[in-house]
Amino acid sequence: AQSVTQLDSQVPVFEEAPVELRCNYSSSVSVYLFWYVQYPNQGLQLLLKYLSGSTLVKGINGFEAEFNKSQTSFHLRKPSVHISDTAEYFCAVSDLGTGRRALTFGSGTRLQVQP
Amino acid sequence: KAGVTQTPRYLIKTRGQQVTLSCSPISGHRSVSWYQQTPGQGLQFLFEYFSETQRNKGNFPGRFSGRQFSNSRSEMNVSTLELGDSALYLCASSTGGDEQFFGPGTRLTVL
Repeated sequence: AQSVTQLDSQVPVFEEAPVELRCNYSSSVSVYLFWYVQYPNQGLQLLLKYLSGSTLVKGINGFEAEFNKSQTSFHLRKPSVHISDTAEYFCAVSDLGTGRRALTFGSGTRLQVQP
Repeated sequence: KAGVTQTPRYLIKTRGQQVTLSCSPISGHRSVSWYQQTPGQGLQFLFEYFSETQRNKGNFPGRFSGRQFSNSRSEMNVSTLELGDSALYLCASSTGGDEQFFGPGTRLTVL
């Protein structure tokens, strides 16, 4: 079984400040890792994904994440946030190579960017 | 390419009724997954269909069912609705690879 923990339910930050959203996972098998963003009244949009290779992954809108196998973490970072980044962010995992596409999500982190 | 479309976008039903939600995947995508999103339970996997076959199922009661048609369009059905079924139901499609593309969701309210 897999589980994903997003330690911070809300993260307030001022515009142009850096931000880190934390994600830890637990799994008995190797996993793919994802970060999704959800804007109000919309579906989920993929920000970035880690499948293999370089542990530093770059995504859309200036976001990046680093996979740390020893700490089972996949924290999301952005060096300078904008008002438009205000949204809910979800970390997710899926089984590697089983053919099953079920995503296990964390509980989400609401990023609130203040002017 | 058009994205994943879900119909209807909003739905209001009463307890005991049944409901059918529809999802049209991105052209060429053969895998469709369904998720339920609620404030209390968050995002939970319901089931996945690939080439008209259910390939994976989450931990939901039998009142929740789905199917996929030969054109990859999928429907999910919830029978005997309960108040707790009020949620945003999200559909995601993929080629069968690692990335899933989500639709805007159907917001179901059960009164």
